[in-house]
Amino acid sequence: TQLLEQSPQFLSIQEGENLTVYCNSSSVFSSLQWYRQEPGEGPVLLVTVVTGGEVKKLKRLTFQFGDARKDSSLHITAAQPGDTGLYLCAHRTGTASKLTFGTGTRLQVTL
Amino acid sequence: GAVVSQHPSRVICKSGTSVKIECRSLDFQATTMFWYRQFPKQSLMLMATSNEGSKATYEQGVEKDKFLINHASLTLSTLTVTSAHPEDSSFYICSARAPPLAGGVEQYFGPGTRLTVT
Repeated sequence: TQLLEQSPQFLSIQEGENLTVYCNSSSVFSSLQWYRQEPGEGPVLLVTVVTGGEVKKLKRLTFQFGDARKDSSLHITAAQPGDTGLYLCAHRTGTASKLTFGTGTRLQVTL
Repeated sequence: GAVVSQHPSRVICKSGTSVKIECRSLDFQATTMFWYRQFPKQSLMLMATSNEGSKATYEQGVEKDKFLINHASLTLSTLTVTSAHPEDSSFYICSARAPPLAGGVEQYFGPGTRLTVT
């Protein structure tokens, strides 16, 4: 099983602070995805990273895929309360492209 | 973007009864749908892959006779929790695999169904 360990598990910060969430594995992946899930809802895809060393930006969110394609990070600049949620990394496996999710990082941003 | 709906959004049932959850792709045909379970403060765990017109593929440790999956059409998959017990209480989320787009195959997730078994 290709496990995805995320850290930290929980993060509580104040509005305006920066933070980084990590997604680590001992396995090599062809791609990794990041999702955000708000309470009582399904996860929403934020980004897919494919190339080792790749950096993608989505407004205040910066995603990086490790050079060896074993890990990824998500950096949020100037966090806002709207960023609150569960952040999940995931990888696709098999011909059906089923997703295996990481352990998750629960982010709470307060005023 | 693609939309996936689930019904009901919340359900409370008594121990020993069965509950059916529907997952619909509203604006695309999905030959493959997936069912996940999420316990409080945990990540999503894949339960099974639902294939239109054929039997579902269950992940290791998931009882196929307890969690019945039917994918009778290209826009509808159902999950029936049979003889539900309190430990089956969870958030059940489905996703539908959209037709291949430029850049890769995507899954679109439903809003989830909160099941409480009393």
